[in-house]
Amino acid sequence: EIVMTQSPATLSLSPGERATLSCGASQSVGSNLAWYQQKPGQAPRLLISGASTRATGIPARFSGSGSGTEFTLTISSLQSEDFAVYYCQQYSNWPPITFGQGTRLEIK
Amino acid sequence: EVQLVESGRGLVQPGGSLRLSCAASGFTFSRFAMSWVRQAPGKGLEWVSSISASGLSRYYGDSVKGRFTISRDNSKSTVYLQVNSLRAEDTAVYYCAKAAGDMITLGGILSSWGQGTPVTVSS
Repeated sequence: EIVMTQSPATLSLSPGERATLSCGASQSVGSNLAWYQQKPGQAPRLLISGASTRATGIPARFSGSGSGTEFTLTISSLQSEDFAVYYCQQYSNWPPITFGQGTRLEIK
Repeated sequence: EVQLVESGRGLVQPGGSLRLSCAASGFTFSRFAMSWVRQAPGKGLEWVSSISASGLSRYYGDSVKGRFTISRDNSKSTVYLQVNSLRAEDTAVYYCAKAAGDMITLGGILSSWGQGTPVTVSS
């Protein structure tokens, strides 16, 4: 099973700042990496797949990069609606599908 | 617009059973793999099970293998999760998710999610 590890656990930033979230895989997943956003009381929403391809309707301020075992989600200029929990997920070698433990992005 | 509506929420005693349903609309259901993902209170996401578009391939997480069964009825655009021998640690919100395609790579991308249905296992 591929273990996904996210850092930091919590990130405190102000609106307008740049956010950088990291995700590591215990073995290479190529570019088979997705990012999801989850707001309190809501279902997760797909942001990015293929490590860097934004899903339909996702603003351009969200970008993904990386391959192999190291990945990054960047939010270029935080908006109030971006404060949420973010999960990475690998789909390279599944089953099982595995998620990271999440990064909570909170307002500073 | 893709819509996924789960039902089957409930309070169940340990050892009990429940059937969760997920009614899909807004896309050609029979062309996409479907999955269930759960989230225990205050915790992260845990993949539970996936089923191929045809229903012929089914996969389960180790924590539910042998207790949960995924199925689908393409004529009704509905996916099911039969949950048996429930334990306290199965308490969670259960989400139904549509894949970006059918199995292998695209099947692992969860492109749309339902609102979730809560399951509580307690005596």
